[in-house]
Amino acid sequence: GAVVSQHPSWVICKSGTSVKIECRSLDFQATTMFWYRQFPKQSLMLMATSNEGSKATYEQGVEKDKFLINHASLTLSTLTVTSAHPEDSSFYICSAVLGTEQFFGPGTRLTVL
Amino acid sequence: DAKTTQPNSMESNEEEPVHLPCNHSTISGTDYIHWYRQLPSQGPEYVIHGLTSNVNNRMASLAIAEDRKSSTLILHRATLRDAAVYYCILWAFYTGGFKTIFGAGTRLFVKA
Repeated sequence: GAVVSQHPSWVICKSGTSVKIECRSLDFQATTMFWYRQFPKQSLMLMATSNEGSKATYEQGVEKDKFLINHASLTLSTLTVTSAHPEDSSFYICSAVLGTEQFFGPGTRLTVL
Repeated sequence: DAKTTQPNSMESNEEEPVHLPCNHSTISGTDYIHWYRQLPSQGPEYVIHGLTSNVNNRMASLAIAEDRKSSTLILHRATLRDAAVYYCILWAFYTGGFKTIFGAGTRLFVKA
């Protein structure tokens, strides 16, 4: 089956620094990728839709200047959390679309101290 | 946004069938119904999806109501490894693209 990877799998950073998370579709090309965040014992919350070659579409309430998304190729989308703060600590999950199926990455756990 | 409603939790005995319901009364004609499951600290895993007809695969079956306002995921013989949070989501199409919105999901407990 189709595989989506994320890197890093976990990251700890100091408050005020920026963190980049990569999402790759390993064996297929994905025009569309999604970014979600998930807090403990809660469901996934859609942050933005990333389309290759165009600007990301952000959900209401998600700051586009804080969560920078770049979908530069058909196999890579990146999420950069700028000037991270402790409240940004969360589990970030990406997914890539292939046909009518959506494949998820393993997630990246971000902890901001 | 197209929403889904699921029970918070369900319990099953091992080796017995499990029927996980989902209501999606605001579904549009082009919205696909997808089911995923998630183990702690992992990304969601695809289970099954459908549009109008019932679907079967090696993992589960999906029964879709005739009016498409509800669906049921059927695990034919629950195992301990099936204990997870199950999400029923809709692929909602709009001008320019589509998006997938997760509901709260159902936490399935499987007893040995």
